[in-house]
Order: sequence, then structure tokens, then C-alpha cells
Amino acid sequence: NAGVTQTPKFQVLKTGQSMTLQCAQDMNHEYMSWYRQDPGMGLRLIHYSVGAGITDQGEVPNGYNVSRSTTEDFPLRLLSAAPSQTSVYFCASSTGGFPNQPQHFGDGTRLSIL
Amino acid sequence: AQTVTQSQPEMSVQEAETVTLSCTYDTSENNYYLFWYKQPPSRQMILVIRQEAYKQQNATENRFSVNFQKAAKSFSLKISDSQLGDTAMYFCAFIDYNAGNMLTFGGGTRLMVKP
Repeated sequence: NAGVTQTPKFQVLKTGQSMTLQCAQDMNHEYMSWYRQDPGMGLRLIHYSVGAGITDQGEVPNGYNVSRSTTEDFPLRLLSAAPSQTSVYFCASSTGGFPNQPQHFGDGTRLSIL
Repeated sequence: AQTVTQSQPEMSVQEAETVTLSCTYDTSENNYYLFWYKQPPSRQMILVIRQEAYKQQNATENRFSVNFQKAAKSFSLKISDSQLGDTAMYFCAFIDYNAGNMLTFGGGTRLMVKP
């Protein structure tokens, strides 16, 4: 059981480049979400999805796009990378319907924008 | 909007001793959940303990327990018999019934357990 898998683990981009952070889960979870973690701060929600075909914005959505074509996958796209997007990105998933269910986090992607 | 505040950026404790990490939150909701997550140097986010707001009894998980004061909107984490493996960042997090499973995190407390 792999849980939540994020790829890549590390990435360096130049300003203006685009890229997609991949997230996949094999637990048949309905809820998936993307967070970013900046130094000295907690995680902040970027986008989330409550099921295939449904996405919504979180606290810091600007500069990012998401889609949810399958239950398993929830990719995060950086349209035109900026240095302010240098961060560690976490994908998480959980079962739907019960807010007390713990979120399962991936190992994170460390992204640096030069 | 909900906010979560952790007022202790860093703390240290001697191995085998007890330490308490503070967390306060602000919400107008009555039904919600609170969590403590641990993030060791490996960067994984690990659920430590959770508390339902409608339960008066404080949650306990082995060496970890909480002091939940709903009226004061306070949710502290007590770690007993601290171990070297407890060294990590600890994040307090909040979720309410109307927000699905989307968490609001505090800024974290870096805990160092000293031998």
C-alpha cells in the first residue's frame, strides 16, 4: 500500500517556466488537497478536490491550477513559475464525509524557483 | 475565517521529562475538530492526536495527551516521558464540519528533545 505518492521530490525551475507536480493515492480517497509550506510557517491550502471532476480554491490559489479527472490523481500545475513559489509542496488525501478522518500526506516536493 | 496560533516557535525538553505545547484558535463555529501533527526532519506529516469539539473528555494517545479548553479556545499538547524521536516540528490544526477535510494550520513549534 503506497499511500500518497508525490513526484518529483526535488525540482529547480527558472522564473517563467511551467511544470506539473504529480500526486497519486491508492486508497480510493475522495478528498485530495495541495498545501504549501514556507519556512517557519504551517501548511497553507492551495487547492482541494472533494471528488473526481470537482475542485475548489483554498487560501493561496493564485499561480496554480489543478484538475481531478480520476479519483487517484490530483496534479498541481504552476503556470509561470515565480520566486515567490519557492516552497515545499504537500499533497494529502482523506476519506470523504467525515471531517475527523486523518489526512494522509505525501512526502512533499521541494521546489526552488531561480 | 478560522485562525490557529502557536505562540512558542521553539521549545526544548530533557529526555524523559514532560513538555506542553500551546495552541489557541479562533472560530465562530461550534462543531469542529482539532489535531496535532508531527513533522520530523524526514518532512513527513504524521497525525499525533485528534479531538472532537463536542467531546469534553481530553484525548489521549499513549504518551501524548491534550488539554482542550473549548471556552478559552485552547488546545495544548502534553508529551510525557519525552524521547529523542519526539524531536520534530509540531503543528496544531483545525477543521470544521462545513469545510470538508481542509485543515487550517498553526505556524508550528520546533521541539528539541535533549539527551
